[in-house]
Amino acid sequence: EPEVTQTPSHQVTQMGQEVILRCVPISNHLYFYWYRQILGQKVEFLVSFYNNEISEKSEIFDDQFSVERPDGSNFTLKIRSTKLEDSAMYFCASSEPGQKNTEAFFGQGTRLTVV
Amino acid sequence: QKEVEQDPGPLSVPEGAIVSLNCTYSNSAFQYFMWYRQYSRKGPELLMYTYSSGNKEDGRFTAQVDKSSKYISLFIRDSQPSDSATYLCAMSGDSGGYQKVTFGIGTKLQVIP
Repeated sequence: EPEVTQTPSHQVTQMGQEVILRCVPISNHLYFYWYRQILGQKVEFLVSFYNNEISEKSEIFDDQFSVERPDGSNFTLKIRSTKLEDSAMYFCASSEPGQKNTEAFFGQGTRLTVV
Repeated sequence: QKEVEQDPGPLSVPEGAIVSLNCTYSNSAFQYFMWYRQYSRKGPELLMYTYSSGNKEDGRFTAQVDKSSKYISLFIRDSQPSDSATYLCAMSGDSGGYQKVTFGIGTKLQVIP
């Protein structure tokens, strides 16, 4: 069964450092998303991406965040200068193209720990 | 008022019981309603996906949506210990193809053998 894969599963980084989280969406999907889940809190939308541009972003997704689809398979989230409060599980998701919304499939997540 | 409200539990039931999980929401623009299951430190796994009001059944799972009351439910029949997980309700509006999902906090369910 096709699945969204994320690497690494766990990343520890020093405060102020740049970090890149990687995702391989399901191959025929054209919409891509990043969500995050701070420990004990709800899953929160960060950004959606389609046709090589951001479709929508939340207020969490400030100038420290960026997304990129560097090739035909990868989708990345970059945090330029990490803060302690960026520590969370980051989930990548993807969905099929279509006129109506279709369900999003999530990866297993990358646990980011900022120390 | 929170956009999506869900009782975090925990909810403990004996094996074989019928489980009822619920969410309320405030945003009338929501049209797509989902239930995800999340095991500890794993990604959300889609269980049920419903458009607008009505019922949908898939095996032991039944999802109900009442848009007039802004209330959604997930029923699990003949619950099993393997159903022990956190159940997240989620919903989205019509964004023209892509899906910005708003999640509830999740209800932690434990099915006791």
